[in-house]
Amino acid sequence: KQEVTQIPAALSVPEGENLVLNCSFTDSAIYNLQWFRQDPGKGLTSLLLIQSSQREQTSGRLNASLDKSSGRSTLYIAASQPGDSATYLCAVRGSETSGSRLTFGEGTQLTVNP
Amino acid sequence: DAGVIQSPRHEVTEMGQEVTLRCKPISGHNSLFWYRQTMMRGLELLIYFNNNVPIDDSGMPEDRFSAKMPNASFSTLKIQPSEPRDSAVYFCASSPSRRAAEAFFGQGTRLTVV
Repeated sequence: KQEVTQIPAALSVPEGENLVLNCSFTDSAIYNLQWFRQDPGKGLTSLLLIQSSQREQTSGRLNASLDKSSGRSTLYIAASQPGDSATYLCAVRGSETSGSRLTFGEGTQLTVNP
Repeated sequence: DAGVIQSPRHEVTEMGQEVTLRCKPISGHNSLFWYRQTMMRGLELLIYFNNNVPIDDSGMPEDRFSAKMPNASFSTLKIQPSEPRDSAVYFCASSPSRRAAEAFFGQGTRLTVV
């Protein structure tokens, strides 16, 4: 059974800092890994999608990496802003042999202080 | 496209009543997921459909929960009878059925059972 772990559970940083969120998964048989953002009381917004054959994806100040063999992904946020405050979730899409389910980590709650 | 549409956004019901949550996936998407989110357990996959067929319902907590997808543009999640412990935010997500496709989430239905 796929298990996804995110570290740290919560992070508080001053505005302008660069930061890294970590995600690890136990079964490397995945199709892709997706990073989401969730604001309080809201739905999930997709930030970045990395296919299993890719090493990284970038969107603006966000950069996500994937090391499938070691079961790790990182989300790097450059020059953080108060508007980045949210919960960040990673999810892995299992291969067909594992049902193609999307399994989530518990999330990292990020607070960027002005 | 309007994205994944869920209704209602909020539902308050009394214990023992039947509750029906609705989801309209993005047009052309063949995979549909129902998730439940609580503070204690995070995001849990309840059931996953591909081409309107339930592929994995191992996450459905008990017989009180049932889900249907009568056509490609509509799915329901029903709880009968509802209990206070069912209180949570229920999310629907859809993706194209091709491998490694990105998943998109609706805004969720916040269910409160009193």
